[in-house]
Amino acid sequence: QKEVEQDPGPLSVPEGAIVSLNCTYSNSAFQYFMWYRQYSRKGPELLMYTYSSGNKEDGRFTAQVDKSSKYISLFIRDSQPSDSATYLCAMSASFQGAQKLVFGQGTRLTINP
Amino acid sequence: NAGVTQTPKFRILKIGQSMTLQCAQDMNHNYMYWYRQDPGMGLKLIYYSVGAGITDKGEVPNGYNVSRSTTEDFPLRLELAAPSQTSVYFCASSKPGQGHYEQYFGPGTRLTVT
Repeated sequence: QKEVEQDPGPLSVPEGAIVSLNCTYSNSAFQYFMWYRQYSRKGPELLMYTYSSGNKEDGRFTAQVDKSSKYISLFIRDSQPSDSATYLCAMSASFQGAQKLVFGQGTRLTINP
Repeated sequence: NAGVTQTPKFRILKIGQSMTLQCAQDMNHNYMYWYRQDPGMGLKLIYYSVGAGITDKGEVPNGYNVSRSTTEDFPLRLELAAPSQTSVYFCASSKPGQGHYEQYFGPGTRLTVT
């Protein structure tokens, strides 16, 4: 079983729709939960991070963590064509003093005008 | 600030050739990482470093070597290239401690081995 599972999509929705992206994980030691956004032929960039269970909102984006179910989500409201990208969930825990991220496969999202 | 820079952007290697992928950062970050990303897949950690002179293996280190002689530079060496090493390689850096979750990525090197 992979430590982090993410549906690779692709996912295509019309402009203005609410988008839901999800990941599940198996390692209960994970403490930090991140969403990275990767535009085509670019490196990933951090979009949001959370440390605890619950919701965190940043503009049109909401990150949700449910540690009891080992499930995280990213919601995008009023989606725009500029949101078209691959979204990677990532999680981390300390391993022998170093902190490493474990990434999901990434979900390729297209917002159609 | 240039952030994280990688060279070259593209490279085609023949089977058995060797090359070094260069990575540099100007943010004074202690932590640096090398990942590979295969089509439709996430990022897999090859090697990482927590400071100059200290490196350690990640999830997929076979066929690669690294060194870290300065805080700024973290080159990745491919010895005896194989088709399985065809991938996009990303270098990243981060602060230690609570800043570790924000990794800054370079633009990537697209490598094809034929």
